[in-house]
Amino acid sequence: AQRVTQPEKLLSVFKGAPVELKCNYSYSGSPELFWYVQYSRQRLQLLLRHISRESIKGFTADLNKGETSFHLKKPFAQEEDSAMYYCALGGVNSGGSNYKLTFGKGTLLTVNP
Amino acid sequence: NAGVTQTPKFRVLKTGQSMTLLCAQDMNHEYMYWYRQDPGMGLRLIHYSVGEGTTAKGEVPDGYNVSRLKKQNFLLGLESAAPSQTSVYFCASSYSPRLALPYEQYFGPGTRLTVT
Repeated sequence: AQRVTQPEKLLSVFKGAPVELKCNYSYSGSPELFWYVQYSRQRLQLLLRHISRESIKGFTADLNKGETSFHLKKPFAQEEDSAMYYCALGGVNSGGSNYKLTFGKGTLLTVNP
Repeated sequence: NAGVTQTPKFRVLKTGQSMTLLCAQDMNHEYMYWYRQDPGMGLRLIHYSVGEGTTAKGEVPDGYNVSRLKKQNFLLGLESAAPSQTSVYFCASSYSPRLALPYEQYFGPGTRLTVT
């Protein structure tokens, strides 16, 4: 079964401080991991995917298969980073046919001035 | 390109009433999804479709039905609404993950449904 755990419902930091949003996953196959972001009153949008090894808006995330983690990090948080962040795991269902994303419960990040 | 659109944006229903939410995408995506978003629960998959004429159950399918008669549309129906179905509903679409493309789901703006 696919499972994604985001242990923090809420995370509050001050502008300029480092931020780390935690994500752990459970999956028997080769995982594909994503971070999606939802700014206030906007639709969800992809922030980054592990396979691309990219940095978007200063955020990075490294897949650690040993710890089954995909934490999202940014060295210096900005007020505009305030949003709901969802970690998502992509994989096939138990029947081995259909691919789908399993989302964590989300972490609401607030960056204070 | 409009991307993924949802109709309506808001709706209030009384218990027992029925309604259909419409999702449309103009990106020629094969896969379409319906999620519900509830506080503290994140996004949960209701139903999805991997192609025109196909549907499959997600994590929380009870009380909902779907249809994918056209590739660009994915309808979510509530036959007899219950207060537990008060939620924000998001539609998403994607290319087939089997294609050699970076996978991404594109989301609609959401429908806020209240059942009284």
